[in-house]
Amino acid sequence: EAGVTQFPSHSVIEKGQTVTLRCDPISGHDNLYWYRRVMGKEIKFLLHFVKESKQDESGMPNNRFLAERTGGTYSTLKVQPAELEDSGVYFCASSPWDRAYYEQYFGPGTRLTVT
Amino acid sequence: DAKTTQPNSMESNEEEPVHLPCNHSTISGTDYIHWYRQLPSQGPEYVIHGLTSNVNNRMASLAIAEDRKSSTLILHRATLRDAAVYYCIPTGGAQKLVFGQGTRLTINP
Repeated sequence: EAGVTQFPSHSVIEKGQTVTLRCDPISGHDNLYWYRRVMGKEIKFLLHFVKESKQDESGMPNNRFLAERTGGTYSTLKVQPAELEDSGVYFCASSPWDRAYYEQYFGPGTRLTVT
Repeated sequence: DAKTTQPNSMESNEEEPVHLPCNHSTISGTDYIHWYRQLPSQGPEYVIHGLTSNVNNRMASLAIAEDRKSSTLILHRATLRDAAVYYCIPTGGAQKLVFGQGTRLTINP
């Protein structure tokens, strides 16, 4: 079974540009989560999808971040316009509907560098 | 979210047992205790979870105090591959994982 995949693995952009991160969850997983770790800080929750619906977006830092999950499969996280403080590693995770309280399966992350 | 306290770092030798403690004195009665770990340059990885009883799986054991205010992750025979940051995460109905600083475990060959 393929794990959670994220693309790209690394992105370097200039301040003010737009970047779109993609996450492909494990097939059949209804729950999809985005987290990020900025330099020197702890991993922080951003938002949670159940299928295509946003269940919890309490961790989204501001309206420069837009997450979508069309069709309830893969998800994208767009940052527009990017700021220096957005640099960090963005993780995606997924879990089956009936195991949402247990294990989340994480992808390898996308390292975003804003210069 | 329950607050957790873990040692910043621990060190052990290969093939020896490792006991990683976690205090979660504000845990609610319905929170599960999850442990995740993050190996270098990888995403976090689920290790084990429990509610009240001690739990075992192929990776580790979880010992939960009777009052549930603390727990201990036990790696029975540490290998070099177990070197990682270990996170203790009480989680309830919110489903999101709240990561603390974790414990950085170093394994000496």
